[in-house]
Amino acid sequence: DVKVTQSSRYLVKRTGEKVFLECVQDMDHENMFWYRQDPGLGLRLIYFSYDVKMKEKGDIPEGYSVSREKKERFSLILESASTNQTSMYLCASSLAGGRGTQYFGPGTRLLVL
Amino acid sequence: AQTVTQSQPEMSVQEAETVTLSCTYDTSESDYYLFWYKQPPSRQMILVIRQEAYKQQNATENRFSVNFQKAAKSFSLKISDSQLGDAAMYFCAYRGRNNNDMRFGAGTRLTVKP
Repeated sequence: DVKVTQSSRYLVKRTGEKVFLECVQDMDHENMFWYRQDPGLGLRLIYFSYDVKMKEKGDIPEGYSVSREKKERFSLILESASTNQTSMYLCASSLAGGRGTQYFGPGTRLLVL
Repeated sequence: AQTVTQSQPEMSVQEAETVTLSCTYDTSESDYYLFWYKQPPSRQMILVIRQEAYKQQNATENRFSVNFQKAAKSFSLKISDSQLGDAAMYFCAYRGRNNNDMRFGAGTRLTVKP
């Protein structure tokens, strides 16, 4: 069965802290994605990775960075958290090409105070 | 850039009735995929149904079916015999055939009344 897991369901951080969100998939997928989900805006792509050590910016990469050292793991990093980064963060993975179905993790709800 | 529009922020349906959620998209590509995802409250987002643009036949999955109108760039989701468990946020999404990333609509919150 397809599985995407995220390191935390809920996080509370202070402004200026460095925040790591981790995502792991067990499906040997090439592609991994980070989205943020805000009411009325749907899902917006932050970054995605199509291979180990490869990454591409999405629509809203400012204030974020990513790391993919192993195929199964994709990390989202907030270098200096700000209150406008309070959001739900969703990780997803998919096979390269094909039908492009993305499988999602449970999400991390981040509150930055 | 491709955009996906869901014009209904909220919808409501009576249990056992049928409801249709609307989605339109904008693209210059001829080959692509369309998706409906469901996100139940505090639960994981899951794929409901998928349509390949080159297929004229509308996709169906049990009580879920789509009305795909390629010329009109419309992709609506019909839920028949609605159940309480269908209550969720529903997102329409687009992916170009040669792209890795997807475009999502803003979502429609569906309430099912007993």
